[in-house]
Amino acid sequence: SQTIHQWPATLVQPVGSPLSLECTVEGTSNPNLYWYRQAAGRGLQLLFYSVGIGQISSEVPQNLSASRPQDRQFILSSKKLLLSDSGFYLCAWGHPLLSASSYEQYFGPGTRLTVT
Amino acid sequence: QKEVEQNSGPLSVPEGAIASLNCTYSDRGSQSFFWYRQYSGKSPELIMFIYSNGDKEDGRFTAQLNKASQYVSLLIRDSQPSDSATYLCAVKNTGGFKTIFGAGTRLFVKA
Repeated sequence: SQTIHQWPATLVQPVGSPLSLECTVEGTSNPNLYWYRQAAGRGLQLLFYSVGIGQISSEVPQNLSASRPQDRQFILSSKKLLLSDSGFYLCAWGHPLLSASSYEQYFGPGTRLTVT
Repeated sequence: QKEVEQNSGPLSVPEGAIASLNCTYSDRGSQSFFWYRQYSGKSPELIMFIYSNGDKEDGRFTAQLNKASQYVSLLIRDSQPSDSATYLCAVKNTGGFKTIFGAGTRLFVKA
């Protein structure tokens, strides 16, 4: 079965500091990978998605970046955090071969980031 | 116009009742539709998906899709206090790999 991991679970960082969040998936190959952010009481905002190693699509221009150095590893980074970067960061995976018509996504446990 | 719209709630139902959660979407060519449950402080978990018009049942959950009306709903029968959560509707867009999420409906099931 497939498992998705994210770390750290919680993070408190000062404004202007760097950020690195990691996501790894086990039990599947060539997954589609996604980074979302959920602000308090809000919906999910898609930040980045990747359909393969080194392939990153950005949905929201901002001070965040993503990388996919290995097939099942997805990293979210920032050089300088802003207060507005606070939120619940979720990594998700999907695979078109899971279900021919559905492209469902499965979420990791998330990282709660507070920028102070 | 938001791409995926849900009533934010809260929707309050008594234990044992049927909870009805609704969602509308704007992209007429959308292909697949998902319902996720999110407990407070936790990540979303997939409950059901549907891609054909009509009803799809899984235990106490029934998803209903009407593509002509661009409407998808989730019925929860015999609601339990443990069903209290935020329910997110999500729609896979036409082509590509993106899924658009609604803001969610908060459901409270009163014991």
